[in-house]
Amino acid sequence: KAGVTQTPRYLIKTRGQQVTLSCSPISGHRSVSWYQQTPGQGLQFLFEYFSETQRNKGNFPGRFSGRQFSNSRSEMNVSTLELGDSALYLCASSSTQGFGGYTFGSGTRLTVV
Amino acid sequence: EDQVTQSPEALRLQEGESSSLNCSYTVSGLRGLFWYRQDPGKGPEFLFTLYSAGEEKEKERLKATLTKKESFLHITAPKPEDSATYLCAVQALTGNQFYFGTGTSLTVIP
Repeated sequence: KAGVTQTPRYLIKTRGQQVTLSCSPISGHRSVSWYQQTPGQGLQFLFEYFSETQRNKGNFPGRFSGRQFSNSRSEMNVSTLELGDSALYLCASSSTQGFGGYTFGSGTRLTVV
Repeated sequence: EDQVTQSPEALRLQEGESSSLNCSYTVSGLRGLFWYRQDPGKGPEFLFTLYSAGEEKEKERLKATLTKKESFLHITAPKPEDSATYLCAVQALTGNQFYFGTGTSLTVIP
């Protein structure tokens, strides 16, 4: 069965621009979480969606937003990009809101220049 | 505040040299503790879930154990293909958020 698919894999943006990242969860999984991974901070939780509703939100500024569609696919958006937003953005899906663990995608590597 | 600390940050082992990775945590009620393996350029890959103190799980050369304050990932007779970053995460009883440690980077030298 197909895993978690994230697109695009790599992205280069200019400071001040905005970006949208996409995540297709494993078929049947209704819970999707997003994480930012940087060398210094490790994985930092952004937000979690379950059945199109945001259930949890991490401690990130309002420039970071997300949504989930009726088919469970999810997008996250970052507006007014800053150099510090350069990171690997990981999406993870679960059938049970994480109980039993998440399956991660390979991530989107965002570089802000 | 819920948090996870992993040690050591980096570990170099000779092939066949067994060792342990540590994950200590503070959480207001533990729903589960998770171990993941991450290879460069890839997302974390699920290894184990532990739910209660005293529980143990094994997979090939890896064995995970859990106490009330920490978890250990024991690696027995490692091979070069075990080289990766190993991540520990906890999920609290309240809410579904996961808290990750910063990982242990393991290098196994042939």
